[in-house]
Amino acid sequence: GPKVLQIPSHQIIDMGQMVTLNCDPVSNHLYFYWYKQILGQQMEFLVNFYNGKVMEKSKLFKDQFSVERPDGSYFTLKIQPTALEDSAVYFCASSADWVSYEQYFGPGTRLTVL
Amino acid sequence: GEKVEQHESTLSVREGDSAVINCTYTDTASSYFPWYKQEAGKGLHFVIDIRSNVDRKQSQRLIVLLDKKAKRFSLHITATQPEDSAIYFCAAPNTGYQNFYFGKGTSLTVIP
Repeated sequence: GPKVLQIPSHQIIDMGQMVTLNCDPVSNHLYFYWYKQILGQQMEFLVNFYNGKVMEKSKLFKDQFSVERPDGSYFTLKIQPTALEDSAVYFCASSADWVSYEQYFGPGTRLTVL
Repeated sequence: GEKVEQHESTLSVREGDSAVINCTYTDTASSYFPWYKQEAGKGLHFVIDIRSNVDRKQSQRLIVLLDKKAKRFSLHITATQPEDSAIYFCAAPNTGYQNFYFGKGTSLTVIP
């Protein structure tokens, strides 16, 4: 089936540094999502994105977070500066439309902030 | 409180038996309920869904039941196989928005 790729699979950085998580969505999808899963907890929605704009975001999407998809390349989540509580697995998802709820998820990027 | 509550955190069954995972939700307007499977080191893999216009859906060995009155939905895996071992997540949409509330996941182990 359709695949969403995420790069890297693991990232370890020092607190205060910047990190960019990359997502390669399904090729004809136009809607993109980031979710965050802290170890042992449920996955929580961060943000969704369409046509170059953030459509919805949760309270977890702090001011230090930003998303973009320049020129149809990777859909990225940037955290600057990182904090210890940003350590989690971040899942990217994409969908072809806005109404069917059918989202395809990537394998996740495990981010460790030291 | 929890928007989606997944009742079993772990579940062990013998190969060939059925496994049942239950979830409840709070938003009466929820209309779509997907289930995802996560194997070790991999992302979420969509397995089956149900929409609120039906109360039962089957895809091969997977059956989803929806009880709108009780705001409960369940995943039944029949004739389980060792490769069914994984973490299963239920989800429900944040109504009016395009994102999901997820349950905490059920770690299913199928014992050969």
